[in-house]
Formats: sequence, C-alpha cells, structure tokens
Amino acid sequence: NAGVTQTPKFQVLKTGQSMTLQCAQDMNHEYMSWYRQDPGMGLRLIHYSVGAGITDQGEVPNGYNVSRSTTEDFPLRLLSAAPSQTSVYFCASSYKGFGYTFGSGTRLTVV
Amino acid sequence: AQKITQTQPGMFVQEKEAVTLDCTYDTSDQSYGLFWYKQPSSGEMIFLIYQGSYDEQNATEGRYSLNFQKARKSANLVISASQLGDSAMYFCAMREGPGALNFGKGTSLLVTP
Repeated sequence: NAGVTQTPKFQVLKTGQSMTLQCAQDMNHEYMSWYRQDPGMGLRLIHYSVGAGITDQGEVPNGYNVSRSTTEDFPLRLLSAAPSQTSVYFCASSYKGFGYTFGSGTRLTVV
Repeated sequence: AQKITQTQPGMFVQEKEAVTLDCTYDTSDQSYGLFWYKQPSSGEMIFLIYQGSYDEQNATEGRYSLNFQKARKSANLVISASQLGDSAMYFCAMREGPGALNFGKGTSLLVTP
C-alpha cells in the first residue's frame, strides 16, 4: 500500500501564481485533512473533509481552497500565492479518527 | 484559545533513562482522542500512541506509554529506556468530534550518550 501520497515534494512559486498540492490515499479513509507547519508553530489545520463532497475550514483557511470529489483525493489549491504561504504542507487521512496517516510533506517557497 | 499546550520547548535525557513529555488540553467535549507523533529531522510524522477519552487504561505501545489524567486534562508521554534514535520533535494532538487534529507546538527531545 502506498498510504498517503503528496505531490510535489518541493515547489517554488512566484507571488501571485496559483497551484494545486495533490494528496491521494489508497486506504479508503473517510477523513482527510491539510496542515501547514511553520517553525515554532506546530502543525496548523487548514481544511478538512469527513467524506466525499464534504469539506470544512480549519484554523488557517484564508488563501486556500479544497474540494473532495472522490474518497481518494483531497487537493489543496493556492489561489494567489503570497510569501506568507511559504511553509511545509502535510496531508493526512484517517479511518474514523482513530489513526491518522501523514504524507511525506510538500515544502513550498513563495518568492 | 489554545487547545493543546506543550510547555517544554526542549528537553534533554541521557540514553537509557526515562523521560516524560508534558501535554495539557482544553475541551468541553466528552468524546475525544489524544495522539502523540514523532517528527525526526527527516520531517515525516510518525504515529506513536493513541488514547481515547473513554479508555479506562493508559495506552502503551512498546517503550511509549501515555499518562492520561482526565480530571487534570493532561496526556503526558513517557518514553522508557531512551535511545539516541529518539532524538526528535514530539507533538501532542487532539481530535474533537470528527475530522481533524489540533496540535501543540511540540517539544524537541535530545538524547545524549
């Protein structure tokens, strides 16, 4: 099993560009979520989903969009990248909230 | 308001000694889950241990145990017989209701020979 796959692993964007961070899981997990990790801040929740067609905002949703059209995929869209969005992004999935499997992360730099 | 508090930014422990990493949480839910994750310098998030709010016994997983004190809203991680490979960032996290985790800011643990 691949688990949770995030692509790309590294990305450099210019201010104002848009892009999509991909997250896919092959464990048939209902719950999926996106986090950003900044130095000294731990992981902060951006958006999450409890099933296909259902999404909700987390602590830091501004500047990001998500959709969940399938159980397997949960892409995170940056609409107009800003330097403040420079961070490491993690996607996670879970079966009913009893265990969360994380992807390996995407390191994003916005210049 | 911060839901998960880890008050120890950094900790040192000697190899083969036990160490306790503190975590307190804030919730009004009756049903919740508490998690500990390890993040080595390579960056991946590694699940260590889980405690459900209704679990009567403290969770244990090998050298890891969770000292769960519900009335005090604390969920401290105890690592026994520390190894050099335990040097990493450790995060406490809580799930309230369905969906996602709230994380603390983490504790950096350094194991010395």
